[in-house]
Amino acid sequence: QVQLVQSGTEVKKPGASVKVSCKASGYTLSNFGINWVRQAPGQGLEWMGWISAYNGNTKFAQKFHGRVTLTTDTSRSIAYMDLRNLRSDDTAVYYCARGGIAAPTKFDYWGQGTLITVSS
Amino acid sequence: EIVLTQSPGTLSLSPGEGATLSCRASQSVSNYLAWYQQKPGQAPRLLIYAASSRATGIPDRFSGGGSDTDFTLAISRLEPEDFAVYYCQQYAFASTFGGGTKVDFK
Repeated sequence: QVQLVQSGTEVKKPGASVKVSCKASGYTLSNFGINWVRQAPGQGLEWMGWISAYNGNTKFAQKFHGRVTLTTDTSRSIAYMDLRNLRSDDTAVYYCARGGIAAPTKFDYWGQGTLITVSS
Repeated sequence: EIVLTQSPGTLSLSPGEGATLSCRASQSVSNYLAWYQQKPGQAPRLLIYAASSRATGIPDRFSGGGSDTDFTLAISRLEPEDFAVYYCQQYAFASTFGGGTKVDFK
């Protein structure tokens, strides 16, 4: 069965960086893409970006351009999201979700979420 | 960036009643629209994609409709497990989510 398992909770200081991992199993990572979505406490879902695990192409929401890096390691079936220059309003649960090979498409499988808290 | 506006913000209903949720796009997204259900403390779950196709394992009391800029999610007879927050998502141009509709108990 398809599963996405994310790395654990992190607490970071403002200005730091965080790297969240998302390990895929039950399918071939390079046949799909991975999206990253975040949800601030009590708020809605916010799409951050997508990476094709086939060729590394990416798309980002405008507000995250230049602050987020998405990568994949297909040999280990892991996707990564690197967020730099953290601010307090980056405190949120971050999800990875399977998407299309050539575009974000529908998100049919989701990771369990990773809580990132940014606090001094 | 395409903006998705969901209405109403909250829908207060009783089990057995029907629900109709709306999602309006700021420009045409054709049928590249999905719906998700999210319960507290859980990741979202895909319900509907391509505006009207049910995802695997989704009961037929859930149905989606619409195209271009106006979409609906209908739940024919609410079960207790259907009380949750529902989000629409477009994937015609990158991706964006609507603000959500909460379906709660009257």
